[in-house]
Amino acid sequence: ETGVTQTPRHLVMGMTNKKSLKCEQHLGHNAMYWYKQSAKKPLELMFVYSLEERVENNSVPSRFSPECPNSSHLFLHLHTLQPEDSALYLCASSHSTGFNEQFFGPGTRLTVL
Amino acid sequence: GQNIDQPTEMTATEGAIVQINCTYQTSGFNGLFWYQQHAGEAPTFLSYNVLDGLEEKGRFSSFLSRSKGYSYLLLKELQMKDSASYLCAVRDLNDYKLSFGAGTTVTVRA
Repeated sequence: ETGVTQTPRHLVMGMTNKKSLKCEQHLGHNAMYWYKQSAKKPLELMFVYSLEERVENNSVPSRFSPECPNSSHLFLHLHTLQPEDSALYLCASSHSTGFNEQFFGPGTRLTVL
Repeated sequence: GQNIDQPTEMTATEGAIVQINCTYQTSGFNGLFWYQQHAGEAPTFLSYNVLDGLEEKGRFSSFLSRSKGYSYLLLKELQMKDSASYLCAVRDLNDYKLSFGAGTTVTVRA
């Protein structure tokens, strides 16, 4: 257990559905991140939040919408996704954005039909 | 941006040593990380190098040469539980951005 939890662990959705991924960290960290991990490809940074403010949006399509209501919770709202969006979505947190170690959650395996 | 290369797969025998190489080309450099990821699980932090040289942590060691844009992760006395994907990641001068390689899948055989 890394202190970062994600729900759901698995999600199957149609292209017209709306769903949300949830991440919660119990480490007292101030920075949280969303990554996308596709098979045989590098982890891709999607969003970075520091003290509940978005500091990075890495050219991610608007069908992905993040929300950070407080420093412990991070959401990724999904709307009208495409099959190529199927991937493992990982949440991570760190003490601050400049801190060395990022702690990852187990991920949500998303399949878009 | 960052261009990070590491081998796709490696296989080794239990008790042996395996060295996973990582090369990078960067517009800025502020540290190199190694993470271990077992199938279906979260990546977990293994090591961090920001200065040249070798960092040793038990059976795992990590080496960095900034002038060569090169790092390796050395796994000694391999155990079956070391079968996993090993991710090399470089942090740029903006501190929080980690750029990852595609990972090296290590299979340990009895």
